[in-house]
Amino acid sequence: GAGVSQSPSNKVTEKGKDVELRCDPISGHTALYWYRQSLGQGLEFLIYFQGNSAPDKSGLPSDRFSAERTGGSVSTLTIQRTQQEDSAVYLCASSKQGITEAFFGQGTRLTVV
Amino acid sequence: SQQGEEDPQALSIQEGENATMNCSYKTSINNLQWYRQNSGRGLVHLILIRSNEREKHSGRLRVTLDTSKKSSSLLITASRAADTASYFCAGDAGNNRKLIWGLGTSLAVNP
Repeated sequence: GAGVSQSPSNKVTEKGKDVELRCDPISGHTALYWYRQSLGQGLEFLIYFQGNSAPDKSGLPSDRFSAERTGGSVSTLTIQRTQQEDSAVYLCASSKQGITEAFFGQGTRLTVV
Repeated sequence: SQQGEEDPQALSIQEGENATMNCSYKTSINNLQWYRQNSGRGLVHLILIRSNEREKHSGRLRVTLDTSKKSSSLLITASRAADTASYFCAGDAGNNRKLIWGLGTSLAVNP
């Protein structure tokens, strides 16, 4: 596609349920980031995939959060047993190897009720 | 902290005035980038300045970089109401390491 695509755009879930957020990066981009942003706040780094290297998971806030990237392309961020504090916008970005400009998707707004 | 810092956190100006935002960082970087975010959704890349550059222009944007002070500034000249957004800096340390982001400056340009 022409840009980074994230789905769903909005997700409302009940506390305790699991959710999966999807990111389709720009074709050929080897780097993929997941960030979380609460209202009016900055970007909170979650996880970084770069090519075939082991992902940098240092930003995942708890073991309820996990992410995978299949075939070096599509990525899924999974949040298990969601809590109200997980409510935020989850942003995905991708970039080419050696070119650091990051291209962002429009995000998924997650609301846990 | 792995994050850069930006000041001011919030800035409110009148249309036509210039807006200056600053960013400081802690690690050595290969380049520093500025991004804009409207309405809490995806960020858009504005400009990149490399570590061997001191100043760069793009339209009404002017970016400076002082590697000795580990700081950068973004100047928007002749601001417009449409410039209202949040502005973030991001440092790239190279070697495929992840970008390090500032906390952002929220700019309001009043008509």
